[in-house]
Amino acid sequence: EADIYQTPRYLVIGTGKKITLECSQTMGHDKMYWYQQDPGMELHLIHYSYGVNSTEKGDLSSESTVSRIRTEHFPLTLESARPSHTSQYLCASSKPGTGSGGNTGELFFGEGSRLTVL
Amino acid sequence: SQKIEQNSEALNIQEGKTATLTCNYTNYSPAYLQWYRQDPGRGPVFLLLIRENEKEKRKERLKVTFDTTLKQSLFHITASQPADSATYLCALRDRGSTLGRLYFGRGTQLTVWP
Repeated sequence: EADIYQTPRYLVIGTGKKITLECSQTMGHDKMYWYQQDPGMELHLIHYSYGVNSTEKGDLSSESTVSRIRTEHFPLTLESARPSHTSQYLCASSKPGTGSGGNTGELFFGEGSRLTVL
Repeated sequence: SQKIEQNSEALNIQEGKTATLTCNYTNYSPAYLQWYRQDPGRGPVFLLLIRENEKEKRKERLKVTFDTTLKQSLFHITASQPADSATYLCALRDRGSTLGRLYFGRGTQLTVWP
């Protein structure tokens, strides 16, 4: 079982609200990621972090922001939600390494946060 | 442009048969390729990894092949069961990526009927 947790699992809010999606992992992984996934579509990387105080934007443009003040915590914030932000947000972490030796380089995913903005 | 393409349609098979899922990629140079399983409303779960210098990997009823000439990976589930019904994602790590990130396909939805 992966020890990575996301809250809330489901959120329905009105346009213009500020929201924070929480993600925590207890595996001590340095690398953490946020992906966005729409039904039937591929996962798109929107943010990643290689460690404390390290955050970068991913391939998909996103109006969200992230922070990494503690190794285990990687929250995502939308300052002013819009209907176009409606999506599934998946947090993940991985061990260091490049997939060589016994390290598969696998991502450990949380259960996701499904956001609906009305 | 870079693309990862999986079976374009959902796959429906009878219990006990072998399911074969396809992952084709264009304009990537994979260091390795991974397969994940995703159930509705859940996060993906890692299944198998195969490296660029490997032809085949097995894990219980699962088998993955990797052909860098064809730019294709095949994912097989033998003696399939209804519990295998899920969406299966392929993902690859591109050698050209300095950040070591994974790129995902859209997935193939597999349904195994009794």
